[in-house]
Amino acid sequence: AQSVTQPDIHITVSEGASLELRCNYSYGATPYLFWYVQSPGQGLQLLLKYFSGDTLVQGIKGFEAEFKRSQSSFNLRKPSVHWSDAAEYFCAVGGRGTYKYIFGTGTRLKVLA
Amino acid sequence: NAGVTQTPKFRILKIGQSMTLQCTQDMNHNYMYWYRQDPGMGLKLIYYSVGAGITDKGEVPNGYNVSRSTTEDFPLRLELAAPSQTSVYFCASSYLEDTQYFGPGTRLTVL
Repeated sequence: AQSVTQPDIHITVSEGASLELRCNYSYGATPYLFWYVQSPGQGLQLLLKYFSGDTLVQGIKGFEAEFKRSQSSFNLRKPSVHWSDAAEYFCAVGGRGTYKYIFGTGTRLKVLA
Repeated sequence: NAGVTQTPKFRILKIGQSMTLQCTQDMNHNYMYWYRQDPGMGLKLIYYSVGAGITDKGEVPNGYNVSRSTTEDFPLRLELAAPSQTSVYFCASSYLEDTQYFGPGTRLTVL
């Protein structure tokens, strides 16, 4: 079955600390992987995506993610978190020729000043 | 570009009432989607469309209907509203399998 798992529902970090949000997927074909961010009361905005090539991808706002096929993971990282990064983060998987994404249930990030 | 716009932003319905959630995109995307978002549940696909005149069901289509007569518009119709349809609804569009662009959402409460 196709699925996306974000094991951490909530994460709290201090401003300036590093961050890693986990995402594991199950997908029968070559996956297209995405991370989206949702600020309160807003729609989702793309942070970064992976289709092929270099397995370390850079996104907006200083975020990066690494695709590890052997671990079926696509974890999101940021070296130094800012208070404005407080939001909910969603991992999603799709694929070539598919019209539909599968979204994880999200990780809510809280940043302490 | 306005991107993806949705109206209304908020709505309260009584049980049994009907309404249409409007969605318009100006990016000439062929794919469009309707999701609902419930706390702790992520996004669930209601309906999607791969072009004008072509629609199909997603994971949770019961109680909803869609139409797509133009590339730009993808309205979602709720017939006989029920409390279980209380949710935040997002419309999105994409060019093929690439990035989805989301609207700001409609918060619907059914009492």
